[in-house]
Amino acid sequence: GESVGLHLPTLSVQEGDNSIINCAYSNSASDYFIWYKQESGKGPQFIIDIRSNMDKRQGQRVTVLLNKTVKHLSLQIAATQPGDSAVYFCAENPSGSRLTFGEGTQLTVNP
Amino acid sequence: NAGVTQTPKFQVLKTGQSMTLQCAQDMNHNSMYWYRQDPGMGLRLIYYSASEGTTDKGEVPNGYNVSRLNKREFSLRLESAAPSQTSVYFCASIYIREQYFGPGTRLTVT
Repeated sequence: GESVGLHLPTLSVQEGDNSIINCAYSNSASDYFIWYKQESGKGPQFIIDIRSNMDKRQGQRVTVLLNKTVKHLSLQIAATQPGDSAVYFCAENPSGSRLTFGEGTQLTVNP
Repeated sequence: NAGVTQTPKFQVLKTGQSMTLQCAQDMNHNSMYWYRQDPGMGLRLIYYSASEGTTDKGEVPNGYNVSRLNKREFSLRLESAAPSQTSVYFCASIYIREQYFGPGTRLTVT
């Protein structure tokens, strides 16, 4: 499953499928990006980050891709599990300035 | 090691009432932030404190005050609550560029 466009608020996938959550950022001066996961009733939790001198970074079951040409960030979750159901949002950080957060995508994993 | 804690978890206020949201961190971080989160909008910065004894306005400071009591604690005060302040409030403690969030306070102003 894949979310597309600037503000698709929901993404529904089957358990075991791969998920792709997209994010467009606005500031070409941003040199650091973070993906957060927020479960219902909880605070945001850091998932993975990437600096602008990289175009890909992998973690455990997650990969972040950065395309600076079109100012686009994506989060790929492999073998999505029910515990991955949450809101995912990206944040951009221009050097010397503060984080700016995106609105988020609600990921629902169907068993 | 509790990380970032916030109290209370839930609060209902009437318009015009005042209250203080408490935040504490045990990670010895210098920087602490207060955000609000509203449906359809990303986290918005209300106030931040880069170090003990300093505070600065963020993106949406109107109607709020803060106090950095010591390195551990950073409180947010609503002097005269308004319905527009109904939101979920998050405190964050920052180390370099990584932010650690508390569990949030859900505030309703009627």
